[in-house]
Formats: sequence, structure tokens, C-alpha cells
Amino acid sequence: GAVVSQHPSRVICKSGTSVKIECRSLDFQATTMFWYRQFPKQSLMLMATSNEGSKATYEQGVEKDKFLINHASLTLSTLTVTSAHPEDSSFYICSARYATNEKLFFGSGTQLSVL
Amino acid sequence: SQQGEEDPQALSIQEGENATMNCSYKTSINNLQWYRQNSGRGLVHLILIRSNEREKHSGRLRVTLDTSKKSSSLLITASRAADTASYFCATDAWSGGGADGLTFGKGTHLIIQP
Repeated sequence: GAVVSQHPSRVICKSGTSVKIECRSLDFQATTMFWYRQFPKQSLMLMATSNEGSKATYEQGVEKDKFLINHASLTLSTLTVTSAHPEDSSFYICSARYATNEKLFFGSGTQLSVL
Repeated sequence: SQQGEEDPQALSIQEGENATMNCSYKTSINNLQWYRQNSGRGLVHLILIRSNEREKHSGRLRVTLDTSKKSSSLLITASRAADTASYFCATDAWSGGGADGLTFGKGTHLIIQP
């Protein structure tokens, strides 16, 4: 099956710093990548959808200047949490979809802890 | 906004028993998918059922879909300790031309006791 690699798996940072999370599709070209956020024992909340070479589409309530998404190639999307604060602490998961495939392939997630 | 609502929120059964989880949704869908998540990990796709299908099987998994009631169920037969995980239903209104993400339910946390 298709593999999506997400790094880092865990990051601890100080308040005010920026954190970049990478999401790579290893054996397929991801036409669309999605970024989700998940709080403990909660569901996944879609943050944004990114298509290669175009600007990301953010869900209502998600600050685009806070969560910068770049989808520079068909195999790489990055999420940068700028000026992170403790309330940004969460589990962030990326997923990818290719062509007409209806399934989503997920990365293993990144646990962000902001001190 | 959340579309799917699973119940129960948590389920604890003995190994070997069957586990049934239900999912309800609100809007029209193209397909409904079930995913599994081990603690602190990403999601793994289990099974997809299209809006024109009523039942689907995959190994020990059986999924049903009732579009008139906007509900689906996931049955795991002969459960194993390794089935312990959270299970999410996700609805997809994507018709192939767009690029919408799935809408996930709140999940059912399943614990299989050895």
C-alpha cells in the first residue's frame, strides 16, 4: 500500500518558536494532502487541504498565518506552526490522496508540545 | 464540522467476542470509510463502502450501510487483543472531481481484554 512518512514524530518547543512538520508520500504522487489536528481522545479536525503548486484551502476558524502550509511538490507538504503557544499543543496528522483513489493514506502523526 | 457520530464511545469486550460499532451521519455521501488508530499513531484504512452498497466484508470485518437511515456499522468478529484501538468512520462526499478531505466521527475506543 501507499506509504506516507511524517516527521518529526514528537517535538517539544518553547513558546514563541516556530515548528515545521513534513509529510512525504514515499511511493506515489499525492495530488492532494490534508492536515488534521487531533486532541486526546477526540476526533480528527480537518485544518487545511493543499494541492501541489497552489495555495492551501483552510477550514473555517483555522488561522492561515498561524499554520503555514506549503505543498511544493507532489511528494512533499509541510505544515509550519508559527510562534507556537501552549494552546497549539496537539497531535497533527497529515494524509494524502492520489488521483481518483478514494482512500486516504495517513502519516504516523506529530505530537507537538509547546512549553 | 463533524459529520459522523460513532457509538458507543468506548467498548470493552473479552477476546474472542464480536465487537460492533455504529456510525451515523447527516448529509449525502459518496462513500463511507472505516479507519483504525492505535494510540499516538496515524490512521489505517480498513474498509470502504460505497453509497450504492449495503454490505461489505474484509477478513474479520463486516460493514453495513443504510443510506435511508444514514448509518453504518462495523462488526469485528472473533476479536483479538491486537484489535484494541480507536475506530473512526469517515464520510466522503467527494465525487472524483474535487479534493475534499474526509469528515471523521468521534470514534469508538475498543478494548479487547485477553
